[in-house]
Amino acid sequence: DTEVTQTPKHLVMGMTNKKSLKCEQHMGHRAMYWYKQKAKKPPELMFVYSYEKLSINESVPSRFSPECPNSSLLNLHLHALQPEDSALYLCASSQGAGQPQHFGDGTRLSIL
Amino acid sequence: GIQVEQSPPDLILQEGANSTLRCNFSDSVNNLQWFHQNPWGQLINLFYIPSGTKQNGRLSATTVATERYSLLYISSSQTTDSGVYFCAVWSGNTPLVFGKGTRLSVIA
Repeated sequence: DTEVTQTPKHLVMGMTNKKSLKCEQHMGHRAMYWYKQKAKKPPELMFVYSYEKLSINESVPSRFSPECPNSSLLNLHLHALQPEDSALYLCASSQGAGQPQHFGDGTRLSIL
Repeated sequence: GIQVEQSPPDLILQEGANSTLRCNFSDSVNNLQWFHQNPWGQLINLFYIPSGTKQNGRLSATTVATERYSLLYISSSQTTDSGVYFCAVWSGNTPLVFGKGTRLSVIA
């Protein structure tokens, strides 16, 4: 699935840095998602946006801050991350709740 | 919440062999998807199949919603089929819940 574009592909950051992950889709989908995937584990849902409003936050620590500036764009702002936050971060979109989700290629994040 | 169990957890095949992967779920579902995650981490959408049977080339899938299971068939496997196959379901208001996956290795 390459219709969902994530940047950057790789990110290395220190624990005191602030960075952002970006996700973009042009399929007219109205729901967008952030997932976190640790090695040899399935993806775990972090946030759901529906019609640009945050509808689900799966008890994610506040050092992760999502933002949906418009229906095509989803950001994940990172601040004061911990080494255990190192993972593959996947973005997905769907036409609506319960509809098939399409995933981006992910951002591989390493925290030093 | 809904439980999703996949079997087998690991599978090694000789190139050209066929295989069946299974996904059991504990409650009724609105949506079921099969994904292939390649060794580079890309999660590829294989099927959206809340019920019935679909085919796409060497792959096919069947979901029997009343019995709460889905099967993914891979025929004439190739080395490029290697990776992890995930089943994921959406039930009620609970967004996509993934099974733990089946790790497939196809050997030439």
